[in-house]
Amino acid sequence: GAVVSQHPSRVICKSGTSVKIECRSLDFQATTMFWYRQFPKQSLMLMATSNEGSKATYEQGVEKDKFLINHASLTLSTLTVTSAHPEDSSFYICSARRRDRGPTDTQYFGPGTRLTVL
Amino acid sequence: GESVGLHLPTLSVQEGDNSIINCAYSNSASDYFIWYKQESGKGPQFIIDIRSNMDKRQGQRVTVLLNKTVKHLSLQIAATQPGDSAVYFCAEFHGGYQKVTFGTGTKLQVIP
Repeated sequence: GAVVSQHPSRVICKSGTSVKIECRSLDFQATTMFWYRQFPKQSLMLMATSNEGSKATYEQGVEKDKFLINHASLTLSTLTVTSAHPEDSSFYICSARRRDRGPTDTQYFGPGTRLTVL
Repeated sequence: GESVGLHLPTLSVQEGDNSIINCAYSNSASDYFIWYKQESGKGPQFIIDIRSNMDKRQGQRVTVLLNKTVKHLSLQIAATQPGDSAVYFCAEFHGGYQKVTFGTGTKLQVIP
């Protein structure tokens, strides 16, 4: 099956620092990758959609200068949380849309990254 | 804006019983509806989906029902097992926007 990995799985950082999270599709090429944020006991909220080689499309209310997304290749997208603050503490999940399949079950989710900002 | 939501935040069922998780949606233009299972500390796992022009679809131990008249979606799990304990999300896929919008989620607790 299609596997999506995230690194790191857990990160703790000090307020004001920047944190980079990687999302990789391990055995398929992803035309599009999505970044979600999930607060405790809440649903996943889409932050942005990124296509390889182009700028990410951010959802309303998501600061693009705060959450930098780079989709450098068909297998890698990165999310950088710049100048992180405690309110950025959350579970960040990426998903990758497979290139050669139909519309719905082709979006494979990563295991998530738990970010804690002290 | 339009959204996908759930009626029950927590559902407790006895092991071996059938589970029914419900979802109300408001966007009639969605192309697919999807159910995901999320275990604690993990990413969502695809369970089953249903095209908007269908009313029923069956998988292994799971059945999804779609009632477009009342904009209601349900996930039925047969012979619920402890391993089914998780949070279940319904979600909608809109082909035009090429993205998945998640509902609120229901926590399923299976009592051994």
